[in-house]
Amino acid sequence: EDKVVQSPLSLVVHEGDTVTLNCSYEVTNFRSLLWYKQEKKAPTFLFMLTSSGIEKKSGRLSSILDKKELFSILNITATQTGDSAVYLCAGGGSNYKLTFGKGTLLTVNP
Amino acid sequence: GAVVSQHPSRVICKSGTSVKIECRSLDFQATTMFWYRQFPKQSLMLMATSNEGSKATYEQGVEKDKFLINHASLTLSTLTVTSAHPEDSSFYICSANDRAGYTDTQYFGPGTRLTVL
Repeated sequence: EDKVVQSPLSLVVHEGDTVTLNCSYEVTNFRSLLWYKQEKKAPTFLFMLTSSGIEKKSGRLSSILDKKELFSILNITATQTGDSAVYLCAGGGSNYKLTFGKGTLLTVNP
Repeated sequence: GAVVSQHPSRVICKSGTSVKIECRSLDFQATTMFWYRQFPKQSLMLMATSNEGSKATYEQGVEKDKFLINHASLTLSTLTVTSAHPEDSSFYICSANDRAGYTDTQYFGPGTRLTVL
């Protein structure tokens, strides 16, 4: 059975801090690793990673995949209160299905 | 681009009622749509994969007669919760995959919160 494990489950930081969120995966016929941000409603897409070692960046967010270690991290620098959300990691496998982790609840305090 | 809408956003109904939820891809064709369920403070649990023009594929433990899925066109999938009961109360989210790009990226609708009294 496919499995995605995220850590930590929750994290509280102050504005300006840098955070690193972790995701490990065991996905049959692995194709890609995706990160989403979920606030009050449905998840919004952040990154899709398919190749090891290539960092993807979007503003203060960046992510990288290690296919040898079956691991990915999501970094957020200079955090803001608007970054407070649940960050979901998902592994893409057969038939375009995604297996989601339980998420990391990030709280950024002013 | 890649916008997915979902309707209604919120439903409150009596036990025994059937509820239909629509999921539309607005600016792309979605050969495949996915239906998820999310309980408070839990992650997304895939219920079924909805394939245009064919029967949906249900995940283990999901009753196909309880959760009817119809994917009649490349832009519309519907989920009908039949004879809903309080334990069906949850947040239901659909997603669509823009297969034209051969990508795994799923774009999510805004979700439907179902409350069964």
